[in-house]
Amino acid sequence: ETGVTQTPRHLVMGMTNKKSLKCEQHLGHNAMYWYKQSAKKPLELMFVYNFKEQTENNSVPSRFSPECPNSSHLFLHLHTLQPEDSALYLCASSQGMQGLGGYTFGSGTRLTVV
Amino acid sequence: GESVGLHLPTLSVQEGDNSIINCAYSNSASDYFIWYKQESGKGPQFIIDIRSNMDKRQGQRVTVLLNKTVKHLSLQIAATQPGDSAVYFCADSYSGAGSYQLTFGKGTKLSVIP
Repeated sequence: ETGVTQTPRHLVMGMTNKKSLKCEQHLGHNAMYWYKQSAKKPLELMFVYNFKEQTENNSVPSRFSPECPNSSHLFLHLHTLQPEDSALYLCASSQGMQGLGGYTFGSGTRLTVV
Repeated sequence: GESVGLHLPTLSVQEGDNSIINCAYSNSASDYFIWYKQESGKGPQFIIDIRSNMDKRQGQRVTVLLNKTVKHLSLQIAATQPGDSAVYFCADSYSGAGSYQLTFGKGTKLSVIP
């Protein structure tokens, strides 16, 4: 357990479904991130929150909608996804955005869109 | 944008031998570098980091070397063990103005032969 908890671990959803991914950290970090990890590609940054404020939306389609109600929790709301959205979605947190000391990652949610 | 890349996608090493994983980065302004290890079914885990004012840093069985002249980073693992089998990522960041989140490479898969 890294201190960053993601639920669910696995999710299968149809293209018309609406689901949410949850991330929780109690490390006292003030920055949280959503990354997408696809096979044979580098980690793709999706969203960044610093002190609950979204500081970056990396050209992510609107079918992905993040929510950060407080510094410890981060959600990714999903709706009308496409099969190519199937991937491992990783949440991370850090103390400061440069990541000094490293980002702490959760174990990810393996998403399959059918 | 700038990217971090890896020379070899896969590396097979005999148990007990030393492993060397290489990484090239493109942003000459990057001043902080991290190596991550990702085991199957888990998120990336911090291994070791190095700042640009250093060219070598040692941890437990791991050493990171930084060559800023050629923008090259390497991770050396001494006496490689089966538990070292994983995908290894390098990442860099820049502390100056503008976006300074970590940028990740694709990863090198290390397989340890018993």
